[in-house]
Amino acid sequence: DSGVTQTPKHLITATGQRVTLRCSPRSGDLSVYWYQQSLDQGLQFLIQYYNGEERAKGNILERFSAQQFPDLHSELNLSSLELGDSALYFCASSARVRTSESPLHFGNGTRLTVT
Amino acid sequence: GENVEQHPSTLSVQEGDSAVIKCTYSDSASNYFPWYKQELGKRPQLIIDIRSNVGEKKDQRIAVTLNKTAKHFSLHITETQPEDSAVYFCAASPPNFGNEKLTFGTGTRLTIIP
Repeated sequence: DSGVTQTPKHLITATGQRVTLRCSPRSGDLSVYWYQQSLDQGLQFLIQYYNGEERAKGNILERFSAQQFPDLHSELNLSSLELGDSALYFCASSARVRTSESPLHFGNGTRLTVT
Repeated sequence: GENVEQHPSTLSVQEGDSAVIKCTYSDSASNYFPWYKQELGKRPQLIIDIRSNVGEKKDQRIAVTLNKTAKHFSLHITETQPEDSAVYFCAASPPNFGNEKLTFGTGTRLTIIP
């Protein structure tokens, strides 16, 4: 168990809808990262938060947004969903921002299916 | 930005043989190179990493080599076992950014044939 909790595990919704994915980082980790993994694809970095502030942005669509709350949990909001948004969404956390001494710890992911 | 290419996309080896996965990166300033293993239906997990101040690092049956001049690094798995079957991802990051600007390769699906 990585200590990173993601809910829900599965989500099925229709095109045009909006969903919220939730992530609780490992105890003590200040950084939260969101990744998208489409079928047979690699891990695409979406966005990173550190102690409540946005730190880095990757290829995140404007329809997607995220935030990190004072208790350090994070939510990824996906709106106006399209079929192509179907993917496995991973949250990861790490203790520090700028050190390779602190590896990423991934959650088990949320599988989103848009029909 | 950084671009990481990974080859091969699929690899099958007989149990007990060695497996090698190669990655190239574009940003010569990158200095942190982790490898993650993702078993079917599970989360990625860090298995080994290397920094640019060393050329090789070993951990039991797993080793990673780095050639800074050629901008490529490789994962070597010796005496492969069925539990090594998984998708392996390489990644690269620029100096002082660690996980903040980690760019992943597209993954290699390794199958160990009993």
